[in-house]
Amino acid sequence: AQTVTQSQPEMSVQEAETVTLSCTYDTSENNYYLFWYKQPPSRQMILVIRQEAYKQQNATENRFSVNFQKAAKSFSLKISDSQLGDTAMYFCAFRIVGNEKLTFGTGTRLTIIP
Amino acid sequence: KAGVTQTPRYLIKTRGQQVTLSCSPISGHRSVSWYQQTPGQGLQFLFEYFSETQRNKGNFPGRFSGRQFSNSRSEMNVSTLELGDSALYLCASSRDRGNNEQFFGPGTRLTVL
Repeated sequence: AQTVTQSQPEMSVQEAETVTLSCTYDTSENNYYLFWYKQPPSRQMILVIRQEAYKQQNATENRFSVNFQKAAKSFSLKISDSQLGDTAMYFCAFRIVGNEKLTFGTGTRLTIIP
Repeated sequence: KAGVTQTPRYLIKTRGQQVTLSCSPISGHRSVSWYQQTPGQGLQFLFEYFSETQRNKGNFPGRFSGRQFSNSRSEMNVSTLELGDSALYLCASSRDRGNNEQFFGPGTRLTVL
């Protein structure tokens, strides 16, 4: 069975600063995907960034980037130049290749302070 | 292109009743997955449907069931409601199985009194 752990229930940061959200996971699988999802107060879950486990290069999407350490089973999200609209719950998630089931962490509530 | 839609958005039921929730995927998407979100248990996978067949099931009692229609729309049903079934129920759709991005709907907030 797969598990995803997010050890930071809440974080806050000043606008324009950089923040890093942590995620660790456990699996015996070799082919999988890792995701960061954002759930703003309106509740619509949005994909932020995705990483294929076979890729060594860390994924980036504009201000969002990940630090993927496969051997350590670590997958952190860095948000640069944080904006007020980044305020949301952030969930780390895991999915085995070929399977639709997402396994989520417990989430990190991120607040961007003006 | 319209996103994933879920109806109703809010629902109040009493213990012992049953409820049916609906999910319409993005046009062209054939896979629909359901998740339960609660403050205590977080986000938990319920089941996934593809081509009208349940392909995967989470660890929920048999009171939770679902189906998918030929147009890929999906419904989930919860019978004999319990207080602990109060949750946000999210559905997600993807074009095919396994390798595509999943898009989530806004959810149905179910309150059981």
